[in-house]
Amino acid sequence: NAGVMQNPRHLVRRRGQEARLRCSPMKGHSHVYWYRQLPEEGLKFMVYLQKENIIDESGMPKERFSAEFPKEGPSILRIQQVVRGDSAAYFCASSPFAVDRLGNTIYFGEGSWLTVV
Amino acid sequence: DQQVKQNSPSLSVQEGRISILNCDYTNSMFDYFLWYKKYPAEGPTFLISISSIKDKNEDGRFTVFLNKSAKHLSLHIVPSQPGDSAVYFCAAHDTPMQGAQKLVFGQGTRLTINP
Repeated sequence: NAGVMQNPRHLVRRRGQEARLRCSPMKGHSHVYWYRQLPEEGLKFMVYLQKENIIDESGMPKERFSAEFPKEGPSILRIQQVVRGDSAAYFCASSPFAVDRLGNTIYFGEGSWLTVV
Repeated sequence: DQQVKQNSPSLSVQEGRISILNCDYTNSMFDYFLWYKKYPAEGPTFLISISSIKDKNEDGRFTVFLNKSAKHLSLHIVPSQPGDSAVYFCAAHDTPMQGAQKLVFGQGTRLTINP
């Protein structure tokens, strides 16, 4: 978990509110990935971004979810009008390269736990 | 559609013995496999990987075996130590296009090492 910073670590939202999760990649990394882990399940890919570009969002729900990685500042995963089913751990990862065969250059953050009440 | 499956949700092993964690996959296009270790309230940490052109990769106490014909891989930890107690995720590398580095994870196996 070397240096990928996620905040908040824990977030509680009421149904219908918005949740914003932030991720600062490791220094020198320009590739960011978001994964979601539902209870008792493995991590599922959501979106892959480079600076100012969404490269692959095939794992993102079609509605209410959006992600960005601006030129300056952290990557943001935004969930609008949250529902109980959005309760999960959201993990951000970063890497220095676009395509890499070595898993050890993909570093995960410690996760943001979203609870919708 | 669960493309990567870890059918054992938990495993308990005595300290000093061998731990064997199993993983099956369905997509024959996967060409690279990884194991991650995860402690509670932390992110996954890379452990070891194997390319589909190999059948074994070893790193210290950790060895990963790949059987392509059976679409099966396993992680061996020997000797097992108390610090190995964690959830272990098997993941497959899926790169359908340039730059789309996507990992497909199994559900995880919780390994407990008993003293």
